[in-house]
Amino acid sequence: AQSVTQPDIHITVSEGASLELRCNYSYGATPYLFWYVQSPGQGLQLLLKYFSGDTLVQGIKGFEAEFKRSQSSFNLRKPSVHWSDAAEYFCAVGAKSGGSYIPTFGRGTSLIVHP
Amino acid sequence: DSGVTQTPKHLITATGQRVTLRCSPRSGDLSVYWYQQSLDQGLQFLIHYYNGEERAKGNILERFSAQQFPDLHSELNLSSLELGDSALYFCASSVTTGQPQETQYFGPGTRLLVL
Repeated sequence: AQSVTQPDIHITVSEGASLELRCNYSYGATPYLFWYVQSPGQGLQLLLKYFSGDTLVQGIKGFEAEFKRSQSSFNLRKPSVHWSDAAEYFCAVGAKSGGSYIPTFGRGTSLIVHP
Repeated sequence: DSGVTQTPKHLITATGQRVTLRCSPRSGDLSVYWYQQSLDQGLQFLIHYYNGEERAKGNILERFSAQQFPDLHSELNLSSLELGDSALYFCASSVTTGQPQETQYFGPGTRLLVL
């Protein structure tokens, strides 16, 4: 069965610093990979997704992620963090389930941004 | 604002009771998904409906049931509630059948507290 590991429960960065959130997945076939963000009191919003092709994926809000098959990783990066980026970030792998592709989520990484 | 609406926002009830959560998908979306987010289990997929028909089932308890109506809104029914059912319940919608390329748009969630 597919699984996702986000090793860091919390990450603290200063505003303006760079950010990397780690994600490792386990899936037997070509993975469909996603990063979502959840702001307090909000639902999840898709930041970016990877299906195939270029392993460096650009998303919204200045985020990018790189798929590395050899490391089973899909880390999320941002060159300069803004205070509004403070939120919970979820990595997910999409797997076929019945007639659907359903994401299996990691436990999330809470990003804290210091001014 | 994702365009997905969920009611109520908060629900407090007692063990053994039954509740109904409601979701209205984005205009034009045919698929509705339900997820449960709890501290113990993280974010888990429950069930997917496409155009009124069940397409995929995840870790949904037998005490829980869902349906999608002809106007495409969906309801999640939770019965014989237990303390452990306290969680945030999300609904998401997508355009068609749940293919991996489709983005799922999440509602703000219903927070259920069972006392």
